[in-house]
Amino acid sequence: DAGVIQSPRHEVTEMGQEVTLRCKPISGHNSLFWYRQTMMRGLELLIYFNNNVPIDDSGMPEDRFSAKMPNASFSTLKIQPSEPRDSAVYFCASSLASASLRGYTFGSGTRLTVV
Amino acid sequence: DQQVKQNSPSLSVQEGRISILNCDYTNSMFDYFLWYKKYPAEGPTFLISISSIKDKNEDGRFTVFLNKSAKHLSLHIVPSQPGDSAVYFCAAAGGSQGNLIFGKGTKLSVKP
Repeated sequence: DAGVIQSPRHEVTEMGQEVTLRCKPISGHNSLFWYRQTMMRGLELLIYFNNNVPIDDSGMPEDRFSAKMPNASFSTLKIQPSEPRDSAVYFCASSLASASLRGYTFGSGTRLTVV
Repeated sequence: DQQVKQNSPSLSVQEGRISILNCDYTNSMFDYFLWYKKYPAEGPTFLISISSIKDKNEDGRFTVFLNKSAKHLSLHIVPSQPGDSAVYFCAAAGGSQGNLIFGKGTKLSVKP
């Protein structure tokens, strides 16, 4: 298995532009998570899906952020409009269940820079 | 309100010696705890976990200890190797918290 695939690896965009981050989870995993990593806040959960349904989006910072999972093999995280404070590394992860001793499998992340 | 805390941002250890990374938590309902390792430009990778019904779990050079009364867990790496240099995240889940809550991480540097 190729693992969790995220694209792009790096994204540089201007303030006000729309940004879309993409994720392909591991086949057969039914839970998908979007995390954001910053120096100040560490790894924080933005939203997670079970069986393609959003379960908890309380970590989404504000209405500028939205996430979708149209099918079991694809998810997007969209920021519109983007702001410099959104600069961070965004990770997607997947697992067989919402949480377990086996943990989640993370992708390599998307480093977003908003200038 | 941080439920999982790693109070040491960094740790430096000599090769061959023991590395001890610490983690504290506040939610007594957590059922299990995990450690992840993260290299630069990569995603976190699962290292080792422990259930709340145990107080120790060992996997090769890595051992996790859980002290429920103190709400504290630690990761021991012995002997430490330069390849262990990475950021280590502690994570926990359980009770009403259905997903993993992460600490901010501790950067371990193992000097040759």
